[in-house]
Amino acid sequence: AQSVSQHNHHVILSEAASLELGCNYSYGGTVNLFWYVQYPGQHLQLLLKYFSGDPLVKGIKGFEAEFIKSKFSFNLRKPSVQWSDTAEYFCALETGGFKTIFGAGTRLFVKA
Amino acid sequence: SQTIHQWPATLVQPVGSPLSLECTVEGTSNPNLYWYRQAAGRGLQLLFYSVGIGQISSEVPQNLSASRPQDRQFILSSKKLLLSDSGFYLCACQRGGGTETQYFGPGTRLLVL
Repeated sequence: AQSVSQHNHHVILSEAASLELGCNYSYGGTVNLFWYVQYPGQHLQLLLKYFSGDPLVKGIKGFEAEFIKSKFSFNLRKPSVQWSDTAEYFCALETGGFKTIFGAGTRLFVKA
Repeated sequence: SQTIHQWPATLVQPVGSPLSLECTVEGTSNPNLYWYRQAAGRGLQLLFYSVGIGQISSEVPQNLSASRPQDRQFILSSKKLLLSDSGFYLCACQRGGGTETQYFGPGTRLLVL
């Protein structure tokens, strides 16, 4: 069965530090991959997505993610985080049907 | 763009009472609709999804049911709530499958006492 693993449940960084959140998935076929973000008090919203083409995907607010098929990974990165990036981040997998499988989420806290 | 409304925002119910959570969508037609439960540290658990009026797929057998009486209305129900039904329930819509983004509502926080 398909699954998504996010290795870090909580991450604490200082402003200007670099960020990398891990995401690995379990599925042998073609995948569509997403990162969603939930800022405090706000709805879940899309950060970026990959479905074909360049494996390095750029999203909103300076975030990017790289799809590495051989590693079944889709890690999220940002070179320099800001206090406003404090949020919960979810990696998600879609395999061609109508269902999206979400990871457990990573809570990021950025210290000002 | 799509807007998803959910109500109520917060609900406190006794064990054994019925439940009805409503989700309505604006700004799109014939969407795929989803109910998720979000638990701390466990991500989003897909409960039900619907690709059309009257079409419901259940992902997790449990105490809940869903219905889609209209194209842009999705209802989550229970005849008798359990303590374990407490949680944060999210409704989402998607215009198609595959690469389409899911848009989420504000959620309903349910506490069963």
